[in-house]
This record gives sequence, structure tokens and C-alpha cells, in this order.
Amino acid sequence: NAGVTQTPKFQVLKTGQSMTLQCAQDMNHNSMYWYRQDPGMGLRLIYYSASEGTTDKGEVPNGYNVSRLNKREFSLRLESAAPSQTSVYFCATLYYSNQPQHFGDGTRLSIL
Amino acid sequence: AQKVTQAQTEISVVEKEDVTLDCVYETRDTTYYLFWYKQPPSGELVFLIRRNSFDEQNEISGRYSWNFQKSTSSFNFTITASQVVDSAVYFCALSAFPVSGGYQKVTFGTGTKLQVIP
Repeated sequence: NAGVTQTPKFQVLKTGQSMTLQCAQDMNHNSMYWYRQDPGMGLRLIYYSASEGTTDKGEVPNGYNVSRLNKREFSLRLESAAPSQTSVYFCATLYYSNQPQHFGDGTRLSIL
Repeated sequence: AQKVTQAQTEISVVEKEDVTLDCVYETRDTTYYLFWYKQPPSGELVFLIRRNSFDEQNEISGRYSWNFQKSTSSFNFTITASQVVDSAVYFCALSAFPVSGGYQKVTFGTGTKLQVIP
């Protein structure tokens, strides 16, 4: 039972390049989240998806786009990467607010 | 608006000492849930405990204990007889489904880095 799977685990990009971070879950949860984690900043919400086909902006959405084409997958796209987007990115799912979130192992992204 | 404050950025203790990690929260929702997560040096996020807003019973699990006080909006976490394996970043989080609508909002504190020195 994989839970939440993020790919890739590591990536180095040059400024201006684009890439998509993938997240897939097998828990049948409706809610999915993308966070970024920076030193001293905790986890900050980038985008959220309540269900297939719906997405909402979180605290720090600028420079990112997301796509929730089906219940399992929630992707995060950087169209033109900037050094300020160097971070660790976590995908998470949630069944209901009284339950803990389930996290992927994270993607460590460096932008030069 | 929701807010979670973990005022302690870093704490260092000597092995076998007790240590308390503080968490103070703000929310307008009457029903909410509080969580503690552990992030060891390997980077994954591990769920430790959940508490409902209407259940102020404190809990002990082995060397871990949690003190939830609604009157002070605090949900503190104590590790008794700390061990080197407890070295990690600990996050407090608040979750609610706002009655005013919107998404299931989860707000994290900035984390407390605990170093247990052998």
C-alpha cells in the first residue's frame, strides 16, 4: 500500500526552465494539497484541491499551477522556475479535517 | 483566520532530560482539531497525535504526553527522558472545516527543531 507517492524525489533546474511535480495517492481521499517547506517557515500551502476538477489557491500560489484531472493525481507545475522556488515540496491528502494528513516523502527542488 | 505559533525555534537538551514543546493556536471555528507531527532528519512527516477541540483530556503515550488547554489556546507536547532518536523538527497543526464555507484548512506552525545531545 503506497499511500502518497511523489516524483521525482530530487531535481535541479536552471532559472527559466519548467517542470511538473507529480503526486499520486491510493487512499481514495478527496482532498489533496501541495505545500512548500523552507527553513524557519514551516509548511506553507501552495494549492489545494477539494475534489477532481477543482483547485484553489493557498497562501503562496504565485509562480505555480496545478492540475487535478482525476481523484488519484494532483500535479504541481512551475512554468518558469526562479531561484526563490528552491524548496522541499510536499504533497498531502486528507479524508476529513478530524483526521491527520497523509504526506508524500517530498521533492527536493533546487533552482540555479 | 487560523494561526499556529511555535515560539521555540530550536531547543537543545541532554539525553534523559525532559523537554516541552509549546504550541499556541488561534481560530474562530468552534470545532477544530490539533495535531503534532514529527519530521526526523530523513525528511518524512510522521503523525504523532490528534486532539479534538471538545476533548480536553490530556494524553500519555509512553515517553510522550500532550497537554491541551482550551482556556489558553495551547497544545503542548512533552517528551520525558529524551533520547537521541527524538532529535527532529516537530510541527503543531490546526485543522478545521469552516462553517462559513471554504476548504478544509490545515495550518502549520513554523516548527521546533529539537536536538538531543548524547
